[in-house]
Amino acid sequence: QVQLQESGPGLVRPSETLSLTCTVSGGSVSSGTYYWSWIRQPPGQGLEWVGYLFYSGITNYNPSLKSRVSMSVDTSKNQFSLKLNSVTAADTAIYYCASYHYVSGTYMFWGQGTLITVSS
Amino acid sequence: QSALTQPASVSGSPGQSITISCTGSTNDVGNYNLVSWYQQHPGKAPKVMIYEVTKRPSGVSDRFSGSKSGNTASLTISGLQAEDEADYYCCSYAGSYSFSLFGGGTKVTVL
Repeated sequence: QVQLQESGPGLVRPSETLSLTCTVSGGSVSSGTYYWSWIRQPPGQGLEWVGYLFYSGITNYNPSLKSRVSMSVDTSKNQFSLKLNSVTAADTAIYYCASYHYVSGTYMFWGQGTLITVSS
Repeated sequence: QSALTQPASVSGSPGQSITISCTGSTNDVGNYNLVSWYQQHPGKAPKVMIYEVTKRPSGVSDRFSGSKSGNTASLTISGLQAEDEADYYCCSYAGSYSFSLFGGGTKVTVL
């Protein structure tokens, strides 16, 4: 079973860049089975798809975030990463990494989530 | 594109059945059989309960079932139990541009 674990700074200053890493175990980021995804959830609110990347490097981002988001994969470390620049308080959220099984359209496995607070 | 529409809350007594609706459009729910449902307990990550509209992952109770009619998908929980009290989110594939749309979430309360 695939397991995912997010890691990140916890606190980011406004206008700076949020950087998160997701470490995958029990499976390979080079697997062609999943789109490696980021989903966020502002405190007390619903879920929002941020974006995904495929092991080949193909990416797709939420149109509302596209100008500020980038994702990358490090196959040697079995990790994938998220960068969100020019952050504001509106980017404060729990960020989850997840594996999206594209044949079934399902977020099969999720990390435990990490709270990122944007504040000075 | 707007999120899918779910009722904010649904409640029921133990043993009863409840249904949560998820309304989208012809661009998402109505056009693809790639609707999934997630259960989220407080402080926990979401967990898939239903995928491809009607399918249950291994280990999920058969008290959970899904359906779809037109632009609206539904999740039914039968034989409601205290452990079912949680937030539930629907999700639909919405094409390559919007990709994944989530509903706003429904809080299920067991009375």
